[in-house]
Amino acid sequence: AQSVTQPDIHITVSEGASLELRCNYSYGATPYLFWYVQSPGQGLQLLLKYFSGDTLVQGIKGFEAEFKRSQSSFNLRKPSVHWSDAAEYFCAVGATAAGNKLTFGGGTRVLVKP
Amino acid sequence: KAGVTQTPRYLIKTRGQQVTLSCSPISGHRSVSWYQQTPGQGLQFLFEYFSETQRNKGNFPGRFSGRQFSNSRSEMNVSTLELGDSALYLCASSRGRTGGRETQYFGPGTRLLVL
Repeated sequence: AQSVTQPDIHITVSEGASLELRCNYSYGATPYLFWYVQSPGQGLQLLLKYFSGDTLVQGIKGFEAEFKRSQSSFNLRKPSVHWSDAAEYFCAVGATAAGNKLTFGGGTRVLVKP
Repeated sequence: KAGVTQTPRYLIKTRGQQVTLSCSPISGHRSVSWYQQTPGQGLQFLFEYFSETQRNKGNFPGRFSGRQFSNSRSEMNVSTLELGDSALYLCASSRGRTGGRETQYFGPGTRLLVL
């Protein structure tokens, strides 16, 4: 069965500083990987996804993520954080069996200091 | 294109009651999935419906059920509510291709409080 681990529960970063959120997955087949963001009281918004090809993927809001198969990781990065980036971020893996099911990590809550 | 909509947005029920939540997918999307989000368990997959058939199911008791209509709208039902059912219930829609190579788009959720 697939699983996703986000080692950092909380991260505090200063506005303008860089941000990196870690994600490690466990999955026997080709992983399809996603990052979603959730603002308080809201649903999930897709930031970016990796299906195949270039291992560095660009997303919305200036985010990017790098897939590293050897490390089973899919870390999310942003060069310069804005106060509006304060939210909870979820990494997820998509199943390749019949149907579509996302398995999520526990999330990382990002706090942005002025 | 309108996004995924969920109704109601907020709901308060008492233990033992039942509740029905509704989800309208993005136009053209045929797959609807439901997830439960709680502080303790995080985001957990409930089930997926495609063409009015349950295609995938998570590890939840039979009190949790769902259905999908011919227009792809979906409802989720929870019977005999327990305090632990208090959660944010998220609906997600996608085109419906299998194999995980799908992007799911989420609605704003229904927040259920069981007293």
